[in-house]
Order: sequence, then C-alpha cells, then structure tokens
Amino acid sequence: GNSVTQMEGPVTLSEEAFLTINCTYTATGYPSLFWYVQYPGEGLQLLLKATKADDKGSNKGFEATYRKETTSFHLEKGSVQVSDSAVYFCALSDRAAAGNKLTFGGGTRVLVKP
Amino acid sequence: DTAVSQTPKYLVTQMGNDKSIKCEQNLGHDTMYWYKQDSKKFLKIMFSYNNKELIINETVPNRFSPKSPDKAHLNLHINSLELGDSAVYFCASSQERLSNSPLHFGNGTRLTVT
Repeated sequence: GNSVTQMEGPVTLSEEAFLTINCTYTATGYPSLFWYVQYPGEGLQLLLKATKADDKGSNKGFEATYRKETTSFHLEKGSVQVSDSAVYFCALSDRAAAGNKLTFGGGTRVLVKP
Repeated sequence: DTAVSQTPKYLVTQMGNDKSIKCEQNLGHDTMYWYKQDSKKFLKIMFSYNNKELIINETVPNRFSPKSPDKAHLNLHINSLELGDSAVYFCASSQERLSNSPLHFGNGTRLTVT
C-alpha cells in the first residue's frame, strides 16, 4: 500500500534559519505529492504540490522537488519567520486509486523562535 | 465567507451517546471528505462523496454513517460513541475527484468522549 514518512518533530529554529523537513514515500502507482500546513486551531491548508517527476512546487518561500529516483519530496525554506510555526504534513494522492484519497505523513511540528 | 465550515467546533459527550457533526462548503466543489486526526496528529481518511455518491469508504466502524443531502453538505453521524472515537474530525472538499485536485479543509471538530 501507499505510505508517507516524514521526520518527527518538533523542529525548533531561530528566525531567519534554514528549514528542511524530509519526506519520503512509497506508492504502488505514480502519485501526486503535496505539502499541507496546519496552524494552531485550524484545518490544513495546501502549501504546495507537484504532480510529476522533477516538478518543483513553491509557495510563500517554501519549495519542494518531486524526486522519483529517491521517492522523496523534501520541504525547504531559506529563511523562516515566527509566523511559519505550524505543523507540516507531507501527503500523496495515488492516481490509480478511486477518488482523491490522500495518504498523509505523521506531521512535523515546527517552532520558530524570535 | 468561510469556504468549508463545520459545526460544532467542540463536542463533549458521554460513551454510548449518538452525535452528529455537520459540514458545508460554499466553493461549488463536487467532492467532500471526512478525515480523522488522532491525538498524535495522524490523519486518516474515513469517507468521500462525489455529487452525493459514496466513493471512498475506509475501514470505519458502521457506527459512523455519513450523509450527503446535496453536494454542498456532508454530515457525519456517530452512534454509540466510544472512548476511542475521541479525535479531531475534519471535513474537506475538492473541485474534482482527481488525484491532483487540492483539498480545502474546515477548522475541525474536536470530539471528546468521556
């Protein structure tokens, strides 16, 4: 079956530091890949996505590249802000599956200190 | 002008009771979902409806029954609540049932069963 593994948190950083959150996946088909972010007390919001190999998704200074050879989709940001403190979820959607069923990783809590 | 709204935000109830959570989306999307997030933040899909038709039904106890009166609404009824049902339940919608269509989440309903 499909699965997503991401680094456990919490990740604690200082403002303006470089952030990397590792994500690897296992899929039977050819998935689309996503990063979602969850701020405290809120639902998940789409951060970025990539639908084919070597695609780079980017948004709000965050980037992730779809690496088929390493089955990875690591999230990076060059200079984090306090407002980036949240839980980040890597997810995949298998095109072969019925419906749009997302498989999520366990989430990584990021805390940015001023 | 909330896109995906669910009520109530908090629900505290005793074991054995029956409760419902309501969800409405005003995005004009065709597909709606229920996800369960446990205390460790792990997210798992429960159900998905497309134009009022059930398309995803994961291994969920039959005490959980979704109902979609129209494509803008997807309610979740839970019978005979158990302690293990305590979680945050998220409603979501997407424009299409295709795998690269991003999900829009509500802010969640925190269910506590005592």
